[in-house]
Amino acid sequence: EPEVTQTPSHQVTQMGQEVILRCVPISNHLYFYWYRQILGQKVEFLVSFYNNEISEKSEIFDDQFSVERPDGSNFTLKIRSTKLEDSAMYFCASSESGGGTEAFFGQGTRLTVV
Amino acid sequence: KQEVTQIPAALSVPEGENLVLNCSFTDSAIYNLQWFRQDPGKGLTSLLLIQSSQREQTSGRLNASLDKSSGRSTLYIAASQPGDSATYLCAVRSNFNKFYFGSGTKLNVKP
Repeated sequence: EPEVTQTPSHQVTQMGQEVILRCVPISNHLYFYWYRQILGQKVEFLVSFYNNEISEKSEIFDDQFSVERPDGSNFTLKIRSTKLEDSAMYFCASSESGGGTEAFFGQGTRLTVV
Repeated sequence: KQEVTQIPAALSVPEGENLVLNCSFTDSAIYNLQWFRQDPGKGLTSLLLIQSSQREQTSGRLNASLDKSSGRSTLYIAASQPGDSATYLCAVRSNFNKFYFGSGTKLNVKP
């Protein structure tokens, strides 16, 4: 069964360093998303991406964050200068379209900023 | 802004019991609602998707209902098993681009 895959599963980084989280969405899907879950809190929306551009972003998604689809299969989230409060589980998701279609989530990348 | 609430926050039941998890949302103009399962430290596994035009969906021992007008959904788990122990998340798509998640119900099924 097709699935969304994320790498790495766990990343530890020092405060102020740049990190890139990688995702391979399901191949025929056109919409891509990043969500995050801080320990003990709700899963919260970061950004959605369609047709090689951001379609919506949350207030969390400030200038420190960026997304890219560099090669037609990967979808990446970059955090330029990590802060302690960026520590969270980051989930990538994809769907065939927006609106009423089912979204499939990856297994997540646990980011720990020390 | 859509607010999603799940009750109860935690539930502990003996094996074999039938149980109901509740999800409520404030804005009834939704595209769909999805129920997910999350094991500790793991990702989100989609269980059921209900479109806004549907009343319920079934998959095995799971049945999810949707009452859009009252802003409620329930997930019914029949004959619970220890392997069902996990956190169950309700997510509402009321925006073309994103889901709003509830805080989840942490289920423990005791052997």
